[in-house]
Amino acid sequence: IQLTQSPSFLSASVGDRVTITCRASRAISNDLAWYQQKAGEAPKLLIYTASTLESGVPSRFSGSVSGTDFTLTISSLQPEDLATYYCQHYNTYPLTFGGGTTVEIK
Amino acid sequence: EVQLLESGGGLVQPGGSLRLSCAASGFTFTDYVLAWVRQAPGRGLEWVSSISHNGVNIEYADSVKGRFTISRDNSQNTVFLQMNSLRAEDTAVYFCAKKYPKSSPFDHWGQGSLVTVSS
Repeated sequence: IQLTQSPSFLSASVGDRVTITCRASRAISNDLAWYQQKAGEAPKLLIYTASTLESGVPSRFSGSVSGTDFTLTISSLQPEDLATYYCQHYNTYPLTFGGGTTVEIK
Repeated sequence: EVQLLESGGGLVQPGGSLRLSCAASGFTFTDYVLAWVRQAPGRGLEWVSSISHNGVNIEYADSVKGRFTISRDNSQNTVFLQMNSLRAEDTAVYFCAKKYPKSSPFDHWGQGSLVTVSS
């Protein structure tokens, strides 16, 4: 299963609404997670089962799905959201990740 | 507090071997699948291998199949990755991560261990 993530890079201002898309090459039910990785750190789980917010993650992060198209939305971008975001499916092996989206703060 | 602490990384020549370890604490080790995920310098994440809670079910990425071996010692709360016939393209930070069995995400990750394959 291939995951095509877009865009690969985006630049936005504090307070902007940001949307990242991940398209699966075939149906994966809702077996998709989103991770945030800050420079020099390990990835951190944000969202799983396409739209369930991990405990402790700010509510400005949300996930949605339509068929094989998955979306991560940051409703109001904050300076601490500077990071690279990855989607990952866990429907079946081999597990795969999207190529990543680097978010820059203008 | 959940902790996953990787060790064993370093510089190795092409064709050489290295064994990574990941010591776990703060959770019931035998309830979880453990996995290795790697990240080449400046690149994205690549799943490498997973091992079930009892060590019976093991999966590998095609890129490492036949060269890498994952194992776990439930008495020591540790998972291992034996890496043989290393290539330059295996150069990466190797993260240890845990997940529930069945369809579930990686809910905790270690800080990673750098493996450099170079002559």
